[in-house]
Amino acid sequence: DAGVIQSPRHEVTEMGQEVTLRCKPISGHNSLFWYRQTMMRGLELLIYFNNNVPIDDSGMPEDRFSAKMPNASFSTLKIQPSEPRDSAVYFCASSLNLATDTQYFGPGTRLTVL
Amino acid sequence: QKEVEQNSGPLSVPEGAIASLNCTYSDRGSQSFFWYRQYSGKSPELIMSIYSNGDKEDGRFTAQLNKASQYVSLLIRDSQPSDSATYLCAVSYSGGYNKLIFGAGTRLAVHP
Repeated sequence: DAGVIQSPRHEVTEMGQEVTLRCKPISGHNSLFWYRQTMMRGLELLIYFNNNVPIDDSGMPEDRFSAKMPNASFSTLKIQPSEPRDSAVYFCASSLNLATDTQYFGPGTRLTVL
Repeated sequence: QKEVEQNSGPLSVPEGAIASLNCTYSDRGSQSFFWYRQYSGKSPELIMSIYSNGDKEDGRFTAQLNKASQYVSLLIRDSQPSDSATYLCAVSYSGGYNKLIFGAGTRLAVHP
């Protein structure tokens, strides 16, 4: 079975540009999570969805970040405009539902903002 | 601010020894506890979950939970060089559905 799929795997962009990260959760999973990982701050939860509805976006750092989940099999995380401090690895994870704690992570997108 | 604390390491153990990884958490309402393994450049991979006080064994791994002390540990028996990775402790946040708070991770190095 396919796991969580993320694209692109690597993204290099210049400051001020728009960046869109994509995620396809495991089929049948109803909860989706976006995380950011840096050496300084570790793994941080940015936002999570249940049944395509955002439940908690308190971890989104600022208005430059937005996330959508238009359907059960696709989510995007957008940064506009990007800044060098946004450089990190962004992970998407999914779980069966909100009553199930186990989260399965995608391979991540390594973002570098120059 | 709910926190999960881990010693960053590195924890260095010889091959065949027992590696002991520790984690403390601040949210007394937490009910679910997880250990994830993360190899360099890879994504976190779930290796153990524990929900009740006591020990839970799975192969060479044993998770231990003490809710009264707000303490979780992971023991790796017969450590192998392939166990060298960062181990992340994750704790469910009592105030949010299925929300996990991760520790910063402990880097384990198993040397031959």
